[in-house]
Amino acid sequence: KQEVTQIPAALSVPEGENLVLNCSFTDSAIYNLQWFRQDPGKGLTSLLLIQSSQREQTSGRLNASLDKSSGRSTLYIAASQPGDSATYLCAVGRGAAGNKLTFGGGTRVLVKP
Amino acid sequence: EAGVTQFPSHSVIEKGQTVTLRCDPISGHDNLYWYRRVMGKEIKFLLHFVKESKQDESGMPNNRFLAERTGGTYSTLKVQPAELEDSGVYFCASSQFSGFNYGYTFGSGTRLTVV
Repeated sequence: KQEVTQIPAALSVPEGENLVLNCSFTDSAIYNLQWFRQDPGKGLTSLLLIQSSQREQTSGRLNASLDKSSGRSTLYIAASQPGDSATYLCAVGRGAAGNKLTFGGGTRVLVKP
Repeated sequence: EAGVTQFPSHSVIEKGQTVTLRCDPISGHDNLYWYRRVMGKEIKFLLHFVKESKQDESGMPNNRFLAERTGGTYSTLKVQPAELEDSGVYFCASSQFSGFNYGYTFGSGTRLTVV
């Protein structure tokens, strides 16, 4: 049974500092891994999708790496801003077509001005 | 393009009552998913539609939950009768294609409170 863990559960940093969010999963047989952002009372916004054959994806200040063999992914957010404050969730895709997502519990991030 | 829309955004019902949640996926998205997050737990998969057919309903907690997708467009998730443990946030997501190359678009969720 796939389990996804995100550590830490909460993180507070001063503005400008780089953020490092960790995600680990127990079963390396995944199809993809996706990072989401959730703002209070809002839905999930997809940030980055890494296919199982890829090692990283980048979008602006965001970079996500994937190491299937060790069951880990890391989301880096460079030069954090107060607007980056949100809950960040990782999810691994499984199932016959990788459509069924298994989520971690999330990391709640606060960037202080 | 319009996103995934969920109705209502909040619902408070008494134990034993019936509630129906609705999801309108992005137009043209054949794949529709339901997930939920109960208090203190991770978001969990409930089921997956491909057009009007249930592709995978392995996450449905019990037979009090009934999901339908009429004509392969919008979907409803009915809880009857509702229990206290059904409280949580129910998310809907859609994607254009099946397969591991494609990501999801999630709706804002319906927060269900059973009292």
